Amino acid sequence: DGGITQSPKYLFRKEGQNVTLSCEQNLNHDAMYWYRQDPGQGLRLIYYSQIVNDFQKGDIAEGYSVSREKKESFPLTVTSAQKNPTAFYLCASSIMVRGGGNQPQHFGDGTRLSIL
Amino acid sequence: GDSVTQMEGPVTLSEEAFLTINCTYTATGYPSLFWYVQYPGEGLQLLLKATKADDKGSNKGFEATYRKETTSFHLEKGSVQVSDSAVYFCALSDQTARAGNNRKLIWGLGTSLAVNP
Repeated sequence: DGGITQSPKYLFRKEGQNVTLSCEQNLNHDAMYWYRQDPGQGLRLIYYSQIVNDFQKGDIAEGYSVSREKKESFPLTVTSAQKNPTAFYLCASSIMVRGGGNQPQHFGDGTRLSIL
Repeated sequence: GDSVTQMEGPVTLSEEAFLTINCTYTATGYPSLFWYVQYPGEGLQLLLKATKADDKGSNKGFEATYRKETTSFHLEKGSVQVSDSAVYFCALSDQTARAGNNRKLIWGLGTSLAVNP
């Protein structure tokens, strides 16, 4: 079955440490997204990418970095510059429509990051 | 900018009760509207969508009608089950903002539903 795989499900970070969250999709989607979810809040967009080797900042990109070396993969690195990294991180993908489309997004099961 | 407002939870119902979760929006143009569901410990799943005024989205017994005159997209189900316990998110596609070529999704804060047997 096609889908999005995020790993690990739980991740712990020490102060001053960078950590990388994995996101892999086999849906053949061009567009991929990273969101952050905090308790009682909606989803906030961190980064998105619509093509290999290209990505753009979302609303809360500070303290995060991404890469898109393969169409299937869009890893997110939470750097030590992110002062409040404890959250649930969701990766999503969608088909891309030129000219602007109203495309639903498909989500992975998320990674919960906690600070030790 | 565009925004989505959902009723605050948690909503607690008994099995077989009628469910309504209110969602209203402000938007420029004609956004598409979505309901997503998040089961405990999981990501979000698309539940239903509507792309133009008066469209009704439906799936798994859930329905929502795109009401432009009241800028609403309320989620309803006639008889809830324990397995419907989850957090429900209303979202719209922002017609003025993009995440790449696709419209950016604007999210509500989510409404938690607990169904008791």
